[in-house]
Amino acid sequence: DTEVTQTPKHLVMGMTNKKSLKCEQHMGHRAMYWYKQKAKKPPELMFVYSYEKLSINESVPSRFSPECPNSSLLNLHLHALQPEDSALYLCASSLNQRLEGTEAFFGQGTRLTVV
Amino acid sequence: KNQVEQSPQSLIILEGKNCTLQCNYTVSPFSNLRWYKQDTGRGPVSLTIMTFSENTKSNGRYTATLDADTKQSSLHITASQLSDSASYICVVNQSHQLIWGAGTKLIIKP
Repeated sequence: DTEVTQTPKHLVMGMTNKKSLKCEQHMGHRAMYWYKQKAKKPPELMFVYSYEKLSINESVPSRFSPECPNSSLLNLHLHALQPEDSALYLCASSLNQRLEGTEAFFGQGTRLTVV
Repeated sequence: KNQVEQSPQSLIILEGKNCTLQCNYTVSPFSNLRWYKQDTGRGPVSLTIMTFSENTKSNGRYTATLDADTKQSSLHITASQLSDSASYICVVNQSHQLIWGAGTKLIIKP
């Protein structure tokens, strides 16, 4: 199983809503990532979890709140988002955070629209 | 400044033809270089990973080259198929941080 599964595939939410994005992998990977990707741009790193601990937060606004309940799951809690937060949110995982010669597997993404 | 620059920005070729995409980088230190294929609205899929000592690596009809001296990489696609239409992104690993290029949008026409 070399899959990273993200749910939901599409999400439309209002600016006052609270929602969560979910990501799951069963490859035994100990590093998991959240990326944000706007149209025609490369992915931008948001958060990195290593061994279930937050390792990197790329100065992401607090309206995005990551959570890693266990080594297979990664959540991204959303609250009071703005329309400019609309984007494709990608989850990825790799064997470890060092990424030397190891694959990073990406999920298919959640297309988020904030109205 | 650590940068990854790709060319061309976009490319249209006929089905069955070959093409080569370019990637120049100024990232230092360098751990490895990756090429990803990304269909519109989908997650990136890894094509190749190359370390400092590797000059060429193939994955089916995809062949990547790396010249670590000139800091250049290329991705050659042979006998293109309609399903090759996608964005191809060059990514350099700098001390465990991935530096992404802007990608080349490839369109294959029948």
